[in-house]
Amino acid sequence: DIVMTQFPDSLAVSLGERATINCKSSQSVLYSSNNKNYLAWYQQKPGQPPKLLFYWASTREYGVPDRFSGSGSGTDFTLTITSLQAEDVAVYYCQQYYNSPLTFGGGTKVEIK
Amino acid sequence: QVQLVQSGAEVKKPGTSVKVSCKASGYTFTSRAIHWVRQASRQRLEWMGWINSDNGDTKYSWKFQGRVTFMRDTSASTAYMELNSLRSEDTAVYYCVRGGDKYDSWGQGTLVTVSS
Repeated sequence: DIVMTQFPDSLAVSLGERATINCKSSQSVLYSSNNKNYLAWYQQKPGQPPKLLFYWASTREYGVPDRFSGSGSGTDFTLTITSLQAEDVAVYYCQQYYNSPLTFGGGTKVEIK
Repeated sequence: QVQLVQSGAEVKKPGTSVKVSCKASGYTFTSRAIHWVRQASRQRLEWMGWINSDNGDTKYSWKFQGRVTFMRDTSASTAYMELNSLRSEDTAVYYCVRGGDKYDSWGQGTLVTVSS
């Protein structure tokens, strides 16, 4: 199984400041034939299902604010929130869908400092 | 709009089975696979497998192989997940998820509690 490791486990950021979440996979999730990274990011708020933010590592889902960005390739990925808003308080997960079983990171909890 | 609506919470005894339904609307049901993901309290999301909504082919995570069955009823645009031989560690929220190039629509979740 591909192991997804997220860090930090949690972070507290002031409103309007940058939040950076890292995700590392135990093997590459870049498929060479189409040059796509099979990596997604989700946001989950309490009592709600996860919400898709990015797929193919950096393709923003419809309706996701542009203060969110996804980057990285191969085994190392980053989710950045450039100007944290109160509504961004949540747990963020990365997921690989390169091969089965699909696996998720352990989550990063983002709070307001 | 796309919606996946799941059945309600269940309380089950160890050793029994549970069946969760997931009714899709807002898109052509057979055009996208349905995946199942669960989330136990304070645990990471765990993928269980998926079903091809068109032809019914299934792929199960090795962890659940032999204990889980996915089904679908195309006439009702509904997918089902049945988990057998329940144990306390199966207590979790179970989600159905629309698959494909992206996993963009999730059901609201079904809490399954396994307790004697």
